[in-house]
Amino acid sequence: DTEVTQTPKHLVMGMTNKKSLKCEQHMGHRAMYWYKQKAKKPPELMFVYSYEKLSINESVPSRFSPECPNSSLLNLHLHALQPEDSALYLCASSTEQGSYEQYFGPGTRLTVT
Amino acid sequence: EDQVTQSPEALRLQEGESSSLNCSYTVSGLRGLFWYRQDPGKGPEFLFTLYSAGEEKEKERLKATLTKKESFLHITAPKPEDSATYLCAVQTNFYGGSQGNLIFGKGTKLSVKP
Repeated sequence: DTEVTQTPKHLVMGMTNKKSLKCEQHMGHRAMYWYKQKAKKPPELMFVYSYEKLSINESVPSRFSPECPNSSLLNLHLHALQPEDSALYLCASSTEQGSYEQYFGPGTRLTVT
Repeated sequence: EDQVTQSPEALRLQEGESSSLNCSYTVSGLRGLFWYRQDPGKGPEFLFTLYSAGEEKEKERLKATLTKKESFLHITAPKPEDSATYLCAVQTNFYGGSQGNLIFGKGTKLSVKP
């Protein structure tokens, strides 16, 4: 099974709201990733967790706050977002950071109004 | 600087018309090259991993090949359901500049008409 699940599928939020995106995998992968993808662009790396510790933060604004509660779950907490943050947010996982292929979830389509 | 370039940006084929997509790369220490398929509004779907020059992988109508500077995704007798954006990504050695993260090309949007 190479499935990564993400909830919700769609999210509309105002600029003053607080919301969270969730990601789950049961492949025993120890690296998990958050990507942001704008229309007609490739995925852009935001965060990497390795063995439940934040390994890479690609200079993402603090209105995005990641959390890795355990080896299967990854959350992305959102607060005071801007309309330009509207995008497809993708979660991915791999066996180890920097090794082997990454498997992506279906994404959460976020619209900030 | 590590770089991945895909061509063409868009490709329109008739059903059954075979063709190839190109991914050229300039990286310091290739660990692996990956091909993904992405449908609109969905996450990328993993297709192939290639690790060394001369390697080939096949899946249904798709065949991926790798040289020291580029990879090709050959599509034989495509069908309309093969229409999607095909993304190429390279992974460098962990202690290189990209820390083993994926470096994506901009993708090739393939449209197959019946």
